[in-house]
Amino acid sequence: QKEVEQDPGPLSVPEGAIVSLNCTYSNSAFQYFMWYRQYSRKGPELLMYTYSSGNKEDGRFTAQVDKSSKYISLFIRDSQPSDSATYLCAMSAVAAGNKLTFGGGTRVLVKP
Amino acid sequence: DADVTQTPRNRITKTGKRIMLECSQTKGHDRMYWYRQDPGLGLRLIYYSFDVKDINKGEISDGYSVSRQAQAKFSLSLESAIPNQTALYFCATSGPSGSTDTQYFGPGTRLTVL
Repeated sequence: QKEVEQDPGPLSVPEGAIVSLNCTYSNSAFQYFMWYRQYSRKGPELLMYTYSSGNKEDGRFTAQVDKSSKYISLFIRDSQPSDSATYLCAMSAVAAGNKLTFGGGTRVLVKP
Repeated sequence: DADVTQTPRNRITKTGKRIMLECSQTKGHDRMYWYRQDPGLGLRLIYYSFDVKDINKGEISDGYSVSRQAQAKFSLSLESAIPNQTALYFCATSGPSGSTDTQYFGPGTRLTVL
């Protein structure tokens, strides 16, 4: 079983819809949670960063962490065709320094 | 100019050949990483370096070696390439411990081993 599980998709939504993405994990030591966005033929870029449990909002993006359930989510409101990409969750534990463990990524397609 | 650059961007080689992938960064970061990405498996850590004299194995280091030539340069070598090393390879950098753990990725190298 992978340490971080993520549905590979693809997830297809109409423009303007809410995109809901999630990851589950098994390592209770994870404290730092990230979402990366990766466009085709590009490197991942950091989208959201959250420490421990709770919510964080940045524009159209909201990240949620529920450590008790070992579950994290990313919501994209008012989705745009430019949001079409692969979204990767990543997490790390303090003891692991900056070593990140990634989910497999979810491919999202926002149709005009 | 990009902060993290990788060369080459694409490479096709044959089984048994030695290959070197190079990474350079202008972000002034001490920490550098090499990952490979395979469909459905996300990114898996090959090697990482917290400074010029510090090299550590990641989860999938077998068949790979690295060299940290300077703070800004970190290269990955495949001593004898095999077909299951066909993948996308990414270099990343980050700031020191106590920072946000944010890693900045290069554009990737697509390697095909025939």
